[in-house]
Amino acid sequence: QVQLVQSGAEVKKPGASVKVSCKASGYTFTTNGVSWMRQAPGQGLEWMGWIRISVYDSNTRYEQKFHDRVTITADTSTSTVYLELRSLRSDDSATYYCARHDGASSWYPFDYWGQGTLVTVSS
Amino acid sequence: SVLTQPPSVSAAPGQKVTISCSGSSSNIGNNYVAWYQQLPQSAPKLLIYDNNKRPSGIPDRFSGSKSGTSGTLGITGLQTGDEADYYCGTWDSSLSAYVFGTGTKVTVL
Repeated sequence: QVQLVQSGAEVKKPGASVKVSCKASGYTFTTNGVSWMRQAPGQGLEWMGWIRISVYDSNTRYEQKFHDRVTITADTSTSTVYLELRSLRSDDSATYYCARHDGASSWYPFDYWGQGTLVTVSS
Repeated sequence: SVLTQPPSVSAAPGQKVTISCSGSSSNIGNNYVAWYQQLPQSAPKLLIYDNNKRPSGIPDRFSGSKSGTSGTLGITGLQTGDEADYYCGTWDSSLSAYVFGTGTKVTVL
């Protein structure tokens, strides 16, 4: 069965970076795109970016507001996708989710989600 | 959010609720709509895709439709287990971004 298992909660200071992982299993890793979303406490879902995974080269697309602070990468040897967010601010405190697209491209819906990773930014 | 949903809807057990999702030609008007259910303290779950299709395991009490630049989720035979937040989502061709609705909280009275 398809599973996306994310890394554990993180506490970071303002200005630091965080790297969250999402390990996929139960399907061919390079078949489906993966996106990252976040959800601040009591707020809605916000899409951050997408990666199309290939053993040769991966393509990425980022939401404009995060473009200069976010990097999404994939390691095909471990079937893991990573989200790195830099220059953290207090308003980056949120639960971060990875989700698999029902296809390779970024416009497909999300059919499987990770369990979420809580990132807290506090001095 | 570029997609607008009502903040909340409610109904008694067994009744029906509908949730609207209003967008524009750059998103709903030219792309498929999906709906996600988020139970309390849980990750979202795909409920409807391609406007009106249900993934395996989703009961037919849940239905979706689209007309022009709006999508609608319907839930019939409301159950206490349906209490959750519901989000619409689609691709926005102008923003080149996946966009979500503002979210609707369903309460079973």
